[in-house]
Amino acid sequence: IQMTQSPSSLSASVGDRVTVTCRASQTINRSLNWYQQKPGKAPKLLMYFTSNLQSGVPSRFSGSGSGTDFTLTITGLQREDFATYYCQQSHRAPYSFGQGTKLEI
Amino acid sequence: EVQLLQSGADLKKPGATVKISCKVSGYTFTDSFIHWVQQAPGKGLEWMGRIDPEDGDALYADNFRGRLTITADRSTDTVYMELTSLTIEDTAFYYCAPGDTLVRFDPWGQGTLVTVSS
Repeated sequence: IQMTQSPSSLSASVGDRVTVTCRASQTINRSLNWYQQKPGKAPKLLMYFTSNLQSGVPSRFSGSGSGTDFTLTITGLQREDFATYYCQQSHRAPYSFGQGTKLEI
Repeated sequence: EVQLLQSGADLKKPGATVKISCKVSGYTFTDSFIHWVQQAPGKGLEWMGRIDPEDGDALYADNFRGRLTITADRSTDTVYMELTSLTIEDTAFYYCAPGDTLVRFDPWGQGTLVTVSS
């Protein structure tokens, strides 16, 4: 299953609302996770099964979608949100990732 | 607290083999599969494979099948990832992470940098 994210990079400002899109090459129902990665760090799970916030993740993060099209939305960007975001399908192995979206100031 | 502690950075020559360890703590070792993910410098994430520590059953991505072996040692709660016939393209960070029934990877190990250079 191929996962395609858009955009590859995104410039935004503190306080903005941004949306990242992830598209699967075939239906994955709602089996879609999102990760955040900061430079020099391991990825961190943000959201699972499309719209469920991982414990400790701020509520400004939200997710939606089903089938093949999914979105990650950050409402009210904070400085600490500038990072790279990856989607990952958990429908079946191999558990492929999107190519990443770099969110820059 | 769940923690995954990986072995340190390694430098290998082309054609060599690397073996990375991932020691698990904070939960019952056999409760979750352990997955491995590759990330070349400045690039994205690629799922490599996973193991069920309960019975040692391993599943590999096509891109690595034939070169990759993942094993688990229940006596030390440690998973090993061995990659053979290394090329320069295998220069990357390698991460381990437990995956539950929803196949959500959390938390991740700190990563191990493998550099392949002649």
